Amino acid sequence: GEDVEQSLFLSVREGDSSVINCTYTDSSSTYLYWYKQEPGAGLQLLTYIFSNMDMKQDQRLTVLLNKKDKHLSLRIADTQTGDSAIYFCAESISTLPALTFGSGTRLQVQP
Amino acid sequence: ETGVTQSPTHLIKTRGQQVTLRCSSQSGHNTVSWYQQALGQGPQFIFQYYREEENGRGNFPPRFSGLQFPNYSSELNVNALELDDSALYLCASSLDRGNEKLFFGSGTQLSVL
Repeated sequence: GEDVEQSLFLSVREGDSSVINCTYTDSSSTYLYWYKQEPGAGLQLLTYIFSNMDMKQDQRLTVLLNKKDKHLSLRIADTQTGDSAIYFCAESISTLPALTFGSGTRLQVQP
Repeated sequence: ETGVTQSPTHLIKTRGQQVTLRCSSQSGHNTVSWYQQALGQGPQFIFQYYREEENGRGNFPPRFSGLQFPNYSSELNVNALELDDSALYLCASSLDRGNEKLFFGSGTQLSVL
């Protein structure tokens, strides 16, 4: 099975908050990441959190980490149409020089 | 703009052929990683190069190979192409072997017919 799981789709109205959820399985994860991918583009790093933190806030973005439940979430406040994209959760573990990505959550923002 | 450029942007090949994809990393970034992203999936790690040496490899066969050059450019070579190799190939550079900040290029879309 997949190491990182995400729901496939989320639709919100412009101005609302979006919450994208992710679960991971590797308890030795050191960093957890959120990437954004727009059509025809590569991945843009939005934010990341070290595994010994519970929360990180960066402007409209809030990341929450529940290490006990291996659950990560990304909250986007005041969601805009420009936030429409696919959002990937990824984990980095200390033993491998790689990120393990989820399958992505497509966020659709309705005007 | 990440400062990582990939070429070509699109490529069509037939089964059995060989392909070379190119990447130019950010200046000063000693590490380059390659990922394969199939349609509707997240990227899958192929391998990483650090200072021109392979530094780790994912679950990909030996017909996937790479090179990294001193001028911050790198290549991904795939021999004996198969239909399942059709995907977006992403290059990512980072300052060092840690993955805290990976800067991705826009990718090369490879179609194998």
